[in-house]
Amino acid sequence: DAGVIQSPRHEVTEMGQEVTLRCKPISGHDYLFWYRQTMMRGLELLIYFNNNVPIDDSGMPEDRFSAKMPNASFSTLKIQPSEPRDSAVYFCASSPTGGGTDTQYFGPGTRLTVL
Amino acid sequence: SQQGEEDPQALSIQEGENATMNCSYKTSINNLQWYRQNSGRGLVHLILIRSNEREKHSGRLRVTLDTSKKSSSLLITASRAADTASYFCATSLGSNYKLTFGKGTLLTVNP
Repeated sequence: DAGVIQSPRHEVTEMGQEVTLRCKPISGHDYLFWYRQTMMRGLELLIYFNNNVPIDDSGMPEDRFSAKMPNASFSTLKIQPSEPRDSAVYFCASSPTGGGTDTQYFGPGTRLTVL
Repeated sequence: SQQGEEDPQALSIQEGENATMNCSYKTSINNLQWYRQNSGRGLVHLILIRSNEREKHSGRLRVTLDTSKKSSSLLITASRAADTASYFCATSLGSNYKLTFGKGTLLTVNP
């Protein structure tokens, strides 16, 4: 199994541009999580899905952030418009049942830099 | 807000020594997990301990949980240079399947 796949691995963009991060979870996992990691705030849960349906998006910082999961094998996190304070590493993780009782498997992350 | 808080923030030891990291949390939990993150990589699950368990072992790892003190410890015995990484505790509050991570302990094992 290839594990959780994220693309791109690195993204550098200018303030105001739209950014789309992509994630392919492990096949058969029905939970998908998006996290953001910064030195100041640590690892924060942004949103998670169960069977492609968003369950909790209370961690999404503001309306500029949106996430979709059109099918069981693909999810996107979009930032529009991007701002310098969005610079962070964004992780996608998947789990076969739920993070509360089972392991979460993390992707390698996307390092986003907004200039 | 952070549910788990690791202590110390950074730890530097020599190869072969034991490393102990602690995690404190604020509310009742369903289970607690420890993860490792190598520089520039994603997190990797190490071990899970449920709220009704007090101690768990996996290879060179030993985790304890004291629910009365709302704390957990991770012990790595006979450390190796390859154990150099950040270690995070993550708590689950129940059936909502959310994990809340602490800010981690950066462990450096010097050869």
